[in-house]
Amino acid sequence: DAKTTQPPSMDCAEGRAANLPCNHSTISGNEYVYWYRQIHSQGPQYIIHGLKNNETNEMASLIITEDRKSSTLILPHATLRDTAVYYCIVRVANYGQNFVFGPGTRLSVLP
Amino acid sequence: DTGVSQDPRHKITKRGQNVTFRCDPISEHNRLYWYRQTLGQGPEFLTYFQNEAQLEKSRLLSDRFSAERPKGSFSTLEIQRTEQGDSAMYLCASGISGQAGANVLTFGAGSRLTVL
Repeated sequence: DAKTTQPPSMDCAEGRAANLPCNHSTISGNEYVYWYRQIHSQGPQYIIHGLKNNETNEMASLIITEDRKSSTLILPHATLRDTAVYYCIVRVANYGQNFVFGPGTRLSVLP
Repeated sequence: DTGVSQDPRHKITKRGQNVTFRCDPISEHNRLYWYRQTLGQGPEFLTYFQNEAQLEKSRLLSDRFSAERPKGSFSTLEIQRTEQGDSAMYLCASGISGQAGANVLTFGAGSRLTVL
């Protein structure tokens, strides 16, 4: 799996958009980008994934650069409940082994 | 479907005792993962099952740890002769094979182990 790099922490004002970056410069053509988050004392929660097109769901948007070497998770209107650790993971589709989490980005949404 | 269930949610034990955790995945999910998480750290991969076959084990899974998934349904994680360093949250996750969605895992709430 390609290695990812995320900032260790970020702050965001409540109601503003939170933009969480992830670098994956060694990503292969068949690897997807997945985002999870973990709110304190809970198990990780799947957010969104994509291959090369931008994706949007009810939780967030995922913007992947044209060269696919980086991506940004966007929470359009952050709330205090979005305070969590956000993990960016790059994996080959349908590959079960070695599903590991990096240190992630600790997002603090401030009132 | 109530999601991934883990039992017990909390376990306090004395050093040297054995403990067992159970995970009930989402019924149609054929993939099952165990992770360990200590305070301030991300989840650490322990082991992975596809159906009843244990396909991968981390080096973290010492010989005191054993996991099973009989008949490809629920799974158990047993820790023998517990040590204080085993104190952690043990997380279970399940998923289903098939294209990109195979990496969409659903996690349980975890089982917190405290070894005194």
